Amino acid sequence: SQQGEEDPQALSIQEGENATMNCSYKTSINNLQWYRQNSGRGLVHLILIRSNEREKHSGRLRVTLDTSKKSSSLLITASRAADTASYFCATGMKTSYDKVIFGPGTSLSVIP
Amino acid sequence: SAVISQKPSRDICQRGTSLTIQCQVDSQVTMMFWYRQQPGQSLTLIATANQGSEATYESGFVIDKFPISRPNLTFSTLTVSNLSPEDSSIYLCSVARASGDNEQFFGPGTRLTVL
Repeated sequence: SQQGEEDPQALSIQEGENATMNCSYKTSINNLQWYRQNSGRGLVHLILIRSNEREKHSGRLRVTLDTSKKSSSLLITASRAADTASYFCATGMKTSYDKVIFGPGTSLSVIP
Repeated sequence: SAVISQKPSRDICQRGTSLTIQCQVDSQVTMMFWYRQQPGQSLTLIATANQGSEATYESGFVIDKFPISRPNLTFSTLTVSNLSPEDSSIYLCSVARASGDNEQFFGPGTRLTVL
């Protein structure tokens, strides 16, 4: 089974609102990465957070990691229509330094 | 990050034929991977492309169906053999450097439709 699970599966918000997506995983991780995919195209790497970090920021993105709960969240502030995409978390496991496992993803729609 | 290109960007193939997808990176990278993304699904790792040796396949994927080459540190190919409609997917390559973070960067993907 996949390492990560995400919720919600789909999210629809108005432009300007904040969007929060959550990712849970099952085993110990080395790091966790978030990606964006627009309309079935290639994935864009958004942010990587290591297992010893609790929070990271990049522009309008804020990622948190709670290793005790084995969960992470991605917050997009002041959303824009261009943020409409699928968002995936991917976990880099401690047992395998070269592989990441993807969660099922959250489909975000930002309505202008 | 690395700049990654894939060819072709899309193709429509007949059942029983094969398609070879190329992945080119603009700089030397340690790790290259091939993923499959079935319609409406997440990404599933097919294999790790090893330079100069046989690829390492994940459970459920075999070399006869998905032969992979990696002749050098900037190039890899994935062939999807004996195509069936169930192979219709997006195939993506990704790369990572041996930095300890296994931060991966993806190519634009190849959309395959099998009739």
